[in-house]
Amino acid sequence: GEDVEQSLFLSVREGDSSVINCTYTDSSSTYLYWYKQEPGAGLQLLTYIFSNMDMKQDQRLTVLLNKKDKHLSLRIADTQTGDSAIYFCAESPLPGNQGGKLIFGQGTELSVKP
Amino acid sequence: EAGVAQSPRYKIIEKRQSVAFWCNPISGHATLYWYQQILGQGPKLLIQFQNNGVVDDSQLPKDRFSAERLKGVDSTLKIQPAKLEDSAVYLCASSRMGGPRETQYFGPGTRLLVL
Repeated sequence: GEDVEQSLFLSVREGDSSVINCTYTDSSSTYLYWYKQEPGAGLQLLTYIFSNMDMKQDQRLTVLLNKKDKHLSLRIADTQTGDSAIYFCAESPLPGNQGGKLIFGQGTELSVKP
Repeated sequence: EAGVAQSPRYKIIEKRQSVAFWCNPISGHATLYWYQQILGQGPKLLIQFQNNGVVDDSQLPKDRFSAERLKGVDSTLKIQPAKLEDSAVYLCASSRMGGPRETQYFGPGTRLLVL
């Protein structure tokens, strides 16, 4: 079945690193995504990783994928108050998903304290 | 480049009333998605269009929800009659083409409250 799980809350201090974790169930997923949602706004794609990779780095963001454990994480280095938002993990499962349907987790609310 | 536009931004109705939401995708994007996001949950796909044809509507409650994308551009999502559990944010997204490699761009959403 298709299911994505995330912890609901994370609180860090400004300047620290944040690590947001996600587990998924569909091993056929080819792409896994991290989206950011700020209050009153739509979702913004932060980064994605292809399933044959185990790490991807993009400036302050590092994505780690453990395909064996179906575990995905997003690390934000030097977390700033502007990073406070809800972060969603999403998978794009196969087969039959030619359209690119996304399955989202319930979101992790990141709170950054000055 | 203009983003995905949605209207209205907020809507309050009573149960059993009807409501319609409008979405204008990014110009040139062939694929359009409607998601429902209930408070405290992640978005759930309701329906996906490729141009003006339906690709996936398996999660759309067809007894009360309907959607159309005439001429393969704008789309409307309708609920008739609304129930209390329909209170949610309705997000529209578009992508250049369908498929997992294509980035989906989201609009700001329409927040619906059913009383």
